[in-house]
Amino acid sequence: QQQVKQSPQSLIVQKGGISIINCAYENTAFDYFPWYQQFPGKGPALLIAIRPDVSEKKEGRFTISFNKSAKQFSLHIMDSQPGDSATYFCAASRTDKLIFGTGTRLQVFP
Amino acid sequence: KAGVTQTPRYLIKTRGQQVTLSCSPISGHRSVSWYQQTPGQGLQFLFEYFSETQRNKGNFPGRFSGRQFSNSRSEMNVSTLELGDSALYLCASSLFSGDNEKLFFGSGTQLSVL
Repeated sequence: QQQVKQSPQSLIVQKGGISIINCAYENTAFDYFPWYQQFPGKGPALLIAIRPDVSEKKEGRFTISFNKSAKQFSLHIMDSQPGDSATYFCAASRTDKLIFGTGTRLQVFP
Repeated sequence: KAGVTQTPRYLIKTRGQQVTLSCSPISGHRSVSWYQQTPGQGLQFLFEYFSETQRNKGNFPGRFSGRQFSNSRSEMNVSTLELGDSALYLCASSLFSGDNEKLFFGSGTQLSVL
């Protein structure tokens, strides 16, 4: 059972544009929502994370928007760069295992 | 400080065989988790070990098993391989069990079952 749904599956953005990836979750007990970035041949690495007591968190060009009532959260990448080309995974957890979304392959063209 | 090390990087096996994958966590980390990554399915949790004890288990058949040694190194075993077991197997380590906020992944072992 997929508890975290992620869209789109792939995304093509021009350099300087905004990349937006969306996730929706089902379990209201989740209290930690991270985003991971994975480059080819590498394991996922934590990019940014949020807890449900805030609606937005920004770190540099990366922002998480969180809508607790809609059970949705999204990653916004401002001024997207070719170096941002990677696969992005959202995830959710409470106290045990992380439940991951299916991933979004982002390609940023110059 | 060395990261999470997984060996081997690539494996090719045939159906029916068994395979053992190895993971060395970051020094000092006592929790090791295993994930299966396939296209379209994302990462799916297999199990977590902490202090040589399995603490949590995902929804995988009994053909998938693991263990952890006293030095925190972990191995994962898949018996009677099936074509659908072809995947990238990722290991992640953290200081404490369930510490999802400080989870570090290795580069994975790419398993191909022919």
